[in-house]
Amino acid sequence: DIQMTQSPSSLSASVGDRVTITCRASQSISTYLNWYQQKPGKAPKLLIYAASSLQSGVPSRFSGSGSGTDFTLTISSLQSEDFATYYCQQNYRTVRTFGQGTKVEIK
Amino acid sequence: EVHLVDSGGGLVQPGRSLRLSCAASGFTFDDYAMHWVRQAPGKGLEWVSGISWNSGNIDYADSVKGRFTISRDNAKNFLYLQMNSLRAEDTALYYCAKEDRDSSGFYPYFQHWGQGTLVTVSS
Repeated sequence: DIQMTQSPSSLSASVGDRVTITCRASQSISTYLNWYQQKPGKAPKLLIYAASSLQSGVPSRFSGSGSGTDFTLTISSLQSEDFATYYCQQNYRTVRTFGQGTKVEIK
Repeated sequence: EVHLVDSGGGLVQPGRSLRLSCAASGFTFDDYAMHWVRQAPGKGLEWVSGISWNSGNIDYADSVKGRFTISRDNAKNFLYLQMNSLRAEDTALYYCAKEDRDSSGFYPYFQHWGQGTLVTVSS
């Protein structure tokens, strides 16, 4: 199975900061990579699909990039509502896998 | 509006079985692949299993292969997860998720999720 590794596992940031989260696949997955946001007690919310396509309704401060094995989720200016845990997910293989998550906390 | 309602969770002893259900509405159920994703308390998301629209393609995570069986009833708009030989490490909130694809049809994603149903495996 394809392993997905996110870094960092957690980070502390302030409102207005630029935040970057990285996801690395154990083998090439082209651009079959999605990003989700999850808040406590809620189901995950889709942010980005196909590595860089912004889901409808998601603020433009979120962006995704990468292909092959290395991917990035960037929040250009962190807002209070963005404090959450973020997960990448590969869909290259039918056995889908998630990264372990990155928790974004308030500094 | 797409609506997914998960049910069937509860407290079960190790080694016993449980069947989860996901009731789907608001879309043409038999046009879409469906999945189960779980989340152990305080832990990350783990994809469990997926099933194609016609049940022709089914996949499982290694952690549940041989113990769990995914199925669907397209006439009733239900997705199921039969869980046998349950272990303490299967304790989690289980979500069903609908697989959508982008306009090209190549890129899948999970936009719609159920509310989750909690399975606790303990003696």
